[in-house]
Amino acid sequence: DAGVIQSPRHEVTEMGQEVTLRCKPISGHNSLFWYRQTMMRGLELLIYFNNNVPIDDSGMPEDRFSAKMPNASFSTLKIQPSEPRDSAVYFCASSLPGPISDRGQFFGPGTRLTVL
Amino acid sequence: SQQGEEDPQALSIQEGENATMNCSYKTSINNLQWYRQNSGRGLVHLILIRSNEREKHSGRLRVTLDTSKKSSSLLITASRAADTASYFCATSILTGGGNKLTFGTGTQLKVEL
Repeated sequence: DAGVIQSPRHEVTEMGQEVTLRCKPISGHNSLFWYRQTMMRGLELLIYFNNNVPIDDSGMPEDRFSAKMPNASFSTLKIQPSEPRDSAVYFCASSLPGPISDRGQFFGPGTRLTVL
Repeated sequence: SQQGEEDPQALSIQEGENATMNCSYKTSINNLQWYRQNSGRGLVHLILIRSNEREKHSGRLRVTLDTSKKSSSLLITASRAADTASYFCATSILTGGGNKLTFGTGTQLKVEL
């Protein structure tokens, strides 16, 4: 099993540019989560999908952030325009349907975003 | 906002010793999970304990849950240098769409040879 795949692994961009982060969940997992991790705020849930439908986007910081899941095997998180305070590590995670799964969420390796 | 607060923030022990980390939370939960994060990597799920369970074991890991005190502890026995990592508790609440996790602040564990 390949695990959750994220791309790119590192992204350096300039303020004002559009940034698109990509995620491929584990096959068969129907829940997908986007998190952001910073030293100041820790690990924050931004948005999550069930069966490709956004369920809770209350963690999305502002309208500059948007997420899509066009099919069961692909999701994107877009920031437009990006700002230096968006610099963080962004994680994608997937899981089997809850509450039956005892295996929790499976995290990707993360994308380290630096906005100059 | 973060649901879980972990204690201690950092812990340094010698290989072979036991490591205990504590987590407190604020609201009713469906289950509580512990994750490990090695530096520069994603989180890895370790163990899940449901709200109607009090103790659970997995290998060298032992988790307890006290819902009356809204607290949990993770015990790693006979620690190894490879256990050096950050450990996070995450509380799960059932929403209309499934399980939503809220992570704690984490404990940085260092196991020295």
